Amino acid sequence: QVQLVQSGAEVKKPGASVKVSCKASGYTFTGYYIHWVRQAPGRGLEWMGWINPHSGGTNLAQKFQGSVTLTRDTSISTAYMELSSLRSVDTAVYYCAREGGSGYCLNAVCSLSHWGQGTLVTVSS
Amino acid sequence: DIVMTQSPDSLAVSLGERATINCKSSQSVLYSSKNKNYLTWYQQKPGQPPKLLIYWASTRESGVPDRFSGSGSETDFTLTISSLQAEDVAVYYCQQYYSNPPTFGQGTKVEIK
Repeated sequence: QVQLVQSGAEVKKPGASVKVSCKASGYTFTGYYIHWVRQAPGRGLEWMGWINPHSGGTNLAQKFQGSVTLTRDTSISTAYMELSSLRSVDTAVYYCAREGGSGYCLNAVCSLSHWGQGTLVTVSS
Repeated sequence: DIVMTQSPDSLAVSLGERATINCKSSQSVLYSSKNKNYLTWYQQKPGQPPKLLIYWASTRESGVPDRFSGSGSETDFTLTISSLQAEDVAVYYCQQYYSNPPTFGQGTKVEIK
């Protein structure tokens, strides 16, 4: 079965960077885009961007351009999200999610069928 | 960006009764050439990631109980829980995937009355 397993919680100081991993199993890693979505405490869902694990190509929401880097390592079926210059407003649960496939997408904009368990990133001095 | 607005922000429904959640998009999410609305619904229980319930506005994801149904077109959509069960207590989000970036509604919290 499809599984996305994320790395553990992080506590960082303002100005630092954090790198969250998302290990995929149960399907062909390079066949489906991986998306990143975050959720601040008690708030709604915010899409951050996607990576195409096959090509390494990425698409980031404008808000995150310049501060977020998405990468992947196909040898271990793992995607990464790195967020730099952390501020307190970046305190959130960060999710990776897999798109459902061609029937769930329109021009790489997708409905997300499988989600990781989430990684809490706390930014505090 | 397409703005998604849900109503109400929260609702309390008795067990076995119907729950109705509305979602409105700032522009149409109907892709005419495929006659599909690119609108999806998620359920999120406390401490859990979102779970996909419905895509294409009305197609239930595999394994989702048939008490969940989606309807609507273009800019106005509805998620209906026909007979609320205790395990349906959650926050529900709509999301458009018609245009980049994908955007979510603010969420609707469903509780038991």
